[in-house]
Amino acid sequence: QKEVEQNSGPLSVPEGAIASLNCTYSDRVSQSFFWYRQYSGKSPELIMSIYSNGDKEDGRFTAQLNKASQYVSLLIRDSQPSDSATYLCAVNPYFGNEKLTFGTGTRLTIIP
Amino acid sequence: DAEITQSPRHKITETGRQVTLACHQTWNHNNMFWYRQDLGHGLRLIHYSYGVQDTNKGEVSDGYSVSRSNTEDLPLTLESAASSQTSVYFCASSETSGSNEQFFGPGTRLTVL
Repeated sequence: QKEVEQNSGPLSVPEGAIASLNCTYSDRVSQSFFWYRQYSGKSPELIMSIYSNGDKEDGRFTAQLNKASQYVSLLIRDSQPSDSATYLCAVNPYFGNEKLTFGTGTRLTIIP
Repeated sequence: DAEITQSPRHKITETGRQVTLACHQTWNHNNMFWYRQDLGHGLRLIHYSYGVQDTNKGEVSDGYSVSRSNTEDLPLTLESAASSQTSVYFCASSETSGSNEQFFGPGTRLTVL
């Protein structure tokens, strides 16, 4: 089993709709969770960090964390064509370890 | 503005040659990381450093080495380049604050012929 799993997609969402991206992780003691956006040919860009159970909102983005079920999700409201990218989920395994483990990413396409 | 840069941005080399990829950050971050990204594998950690003179192997370290002589730089060396090392290489850095947020450089596309 991979440590961090994501559906590779592609996920197609109409413009203006909510895009929902999911990620599961295998290590129960994982502490920190991140979503990165990566445009084709570019480097990953950090868009959300979440550290405790529940929701965290930042503009059109909401990260949701459920440690008991070992999943983290990213919701993008009012999806725009500029949101079309690959979204990478990353997990920090435990406190004091600075490394991140990345999922392989979900490719999201927003259809105008 | 603080930033992280990588050079060269594109590199073509031949099998067996030694290649060094540069990474330079001006955030004064203690932690620096090298990843490679390949289709179907995502980002895989090659080497990382938590400070000057500290280096550690990641999950795909064979054939690569790093050295950390100052806070700003973590060069990645391919001792004898192989075609399997054709990839996109990203450098990242983070501060030792407990946030674990990593920030990436623009990447180097390396082709080994």
